[in-house]
Amino acid sequence: EVQLVESGGGLVQPGRSLRLSCVASGFTFNNYWMTWIRQAPGKGLEWVASISNTGGRSYYPDSVKGRFTISRDNAKSTLYLQMNSLRSEDTATYYCTRAGVYGGYGAYWGQGTLVTVSS
Amino acid sequence: NTVLTQSPTSMLISVGDRVTMNCKASQNVGTNVDWYRQKTGQSPKLLIYGASNRYTGVPNRFTGSGSGTDFTLTISNMQAEDLAVYYCLQYNYNPPTFGTGTKLELK
Repeated sequence: EVQLVESGGGLVQPGRSLRLSCVASGFTFNNYWMTWIRQAPGKGLEWVASISNTGGRSYYPDSVKGRFTISRDNAKSTLYLQMNSLRSEDTATYYCTRAGVYGGYGAYWGQGTLVTVSS
Repeated sequence: NTVLTQSPTSMLISVGDRVTMNCKASQNVGTNVDWYRQKTGQSPKLLIYGASNRYTGVPNRFTGSGSGTDFTLTISNMQAEDLAVYYCLQYNYNPPTFGTGTKLELK
């Protein structure tokens, strides 16, 4: 069974940093692209970052480019999201997702971890 | 960025109804569209990939159709467990973008 378990969320002040982790199990981690998607409270879904199966390529939207860094440790089956210079608008639940065999971004989702940016 | 406009924003439905919702893209995205269902307090779940392919384990009351700029998700014989928000996602262009959602509520 595919499982994705996020951790690392919490309350952080504006301008500070936070690192999220996602431990994967139930599949061959280094075969799949991985993605972070977020959802602000009561709002819709927003793609945050994706990384190739080898870790050699990564992509971001303009809203987080230069502040967030996605990475992975295939030996540990773990995905990371380093978030720097956090803003109030980064407040959201962050989901770790796995691509499908067909491609795409969200064949499987974790339960999410809440990040609250506030003073 | 490719904008996805979902309609209607919300619907009042009854168990057993046939429900149709739409997703319109601001440019041609081929068939690179997925549909998700998100129940209250839960993570989204993939229902349809590639516009019309039912994902593993998804009941056959869910049907996706469309290509280019216009896409439809149909739920035949609506069940109580289908009360949720439904999102479309396009991944033909970077950045991938989600629609704003259609919320199904009980009449």
